Amino acid sequence: DTAVSQTPKYLVTQMGNDKSIKCEQNLGHDTMYWYKQDSKKFLKIMFSYNNKELIINETVPNRFSPKSPDKAHLNLHINSLELGDSAVYFCASTLRQGPNSPLHFGNGTRLTVT
Amino acid sequence: AQKITQTQPGMFVQEKEAVTLDCTYDTSDQSYGLFWYKQPSSGEMIFLIYQGSYDEQNATEGRYSLNFQKARKSANLVISASQLGDSAMYFCAMGANNAGNMLTFGGGTRLMVKP
Repeated sequence: DTAVSQTPKYLVTQMGNDKSIKCEQNLGHDTMYWYKQDSKKFLKIMFSYNNKELIINETVPNRFSPKSPDKAHLNLHINSLELGDSAVYFCASTLRQGPNSPLHFGNGTRLTVT
Repeated sequence: AQKITQTQPGMFVQEKEAVTLDCTYDTSDQSYGLFWYKQPSSGEMIFLIYQGSYDEQNATEGRYSLNFQKARKSANLVISASQLGDSAMYFCAMGANNAGNMLTFGGGTRLMVKP
């Protein structure tokens, strides 16, 4: 009965590779997000996706591309991985857009680029 | 632009005592929400408590309460009767209409509960 699930939990890969992280939510939420948590624990929004509208954070390199086949899924594809991409990536969802909706997070994917 | 500041990188508290984690925010939006999340060493993000900018009463959820002082732009988390399982990172976050409704997080406070 997991609400927001991400796979894989750990991902170790070499520089230059392309990888994907999958996210699914069974909460019936309209809005999904990707957040990045760096080694200092700082959480930063990457993308939000609401009813087929993608909102891109301008500071995210275009090597990162979210893909949403339907409202319950938001995958993250990363091309040409770099050492600096090593981080924990969290998928999250909210019932609706707005300042009053809490995020429900997945358990995170720890990406290590060697 | 909105900003969340948590000035305490780390804190200790004795088991069974209360502790206050500080959070100040800055936004030009009149309608916003404030949230606290807990991240234990296992890594998951757990939603604890929410306060709306128009809520007149401070939010409470079990041992968690939010000390909301709108004029001072602060939203401190109070944990009563600390338990060893409260040891974790705690993040304050804000959502506002003028920020695309995406939550902005503070840098976090690491709380350590001593037996």
